[in-house]
Amino acid sequence: DQQVKQNSPSLSVQEGRISILNCDYTNSMFDYFLWYKKYPAEGPTFLISISSIKDKNEDGRFTVFLNKSAKHLSLHIVPSQPGDSAVYFCAASGSEKLVFGKGTKLTVNP
Amino acid sequence: NAGVTQTPKFQVLKTGQSMTLQCAQDMNHEYMSWYRQDPGMGLRLIHYSVGAGITDQGEVPNGYNVSRSTTEDFPLRLLSAAPSQTSVYFCASSYYRGGTQYFGPGTRLLVL
Repeated sequence: DQQVKQNSPSLSVQEGRISILNCDYTNSMFDYFLWYKKYPAEGPTFLISISSIKDKNEDGRFTVFLNKSAKHLSLHIVPSQPGDSAVYFCAASGSEKLVFGKGTKLTVNP
Repeated sequence: NAGVTQTPKFQVLKTGQSMTLQCAQDMNHEYMSWYRQDPGMGLRLIHYSVGAGITDQGEVPNGYNVSRSTTEDFPLRLLSAAPSQTSVYFCASSYYRGGTQYFGPGTRLLVL
């Protein structure tokens, strides 16, 4: 039972455009959501998070949106840069569990 | 502040050999965990610990043992390596279970 789903294994965008990465979850007990970024041969690094009491959180070029009724969150990167090319993992936390999605590989083309 | 450190970075084992993957953190985090990452499978939880002396199984615990004698260290033991354990292993820590986790750089393991 996959509680956190990232349905797009990969995404390719042009430098300067917007990247939108999507994530769906099934467990209504999740109340805290995170995005991690992972470069090859490195560990995942925390990028941005959002609590279920908010619907938007912004940090520089990165914005996370949460739609609780749809059990959907998204990560927007504007503008996208080649250095953003990485695998992005969505994660959801609740009831002392942290569950990861399978990741989306983002490629930003110069 | 080194964060989460893992050793070794890379290891080759023969089937049936045993080894220990080391993990240490200097952030005084109570929660520590081990994940494996395989292509198309994301991050799968192997074992976790909510504090010194307390460990529990995650999603894929078979073939692995853990112990937590100190807050800082959380080694992962492979008792008899199998080719199916070829993977990249990540250790992570956080203040509490379900909190923001901080990952180590990973150990690449190849079992022949």
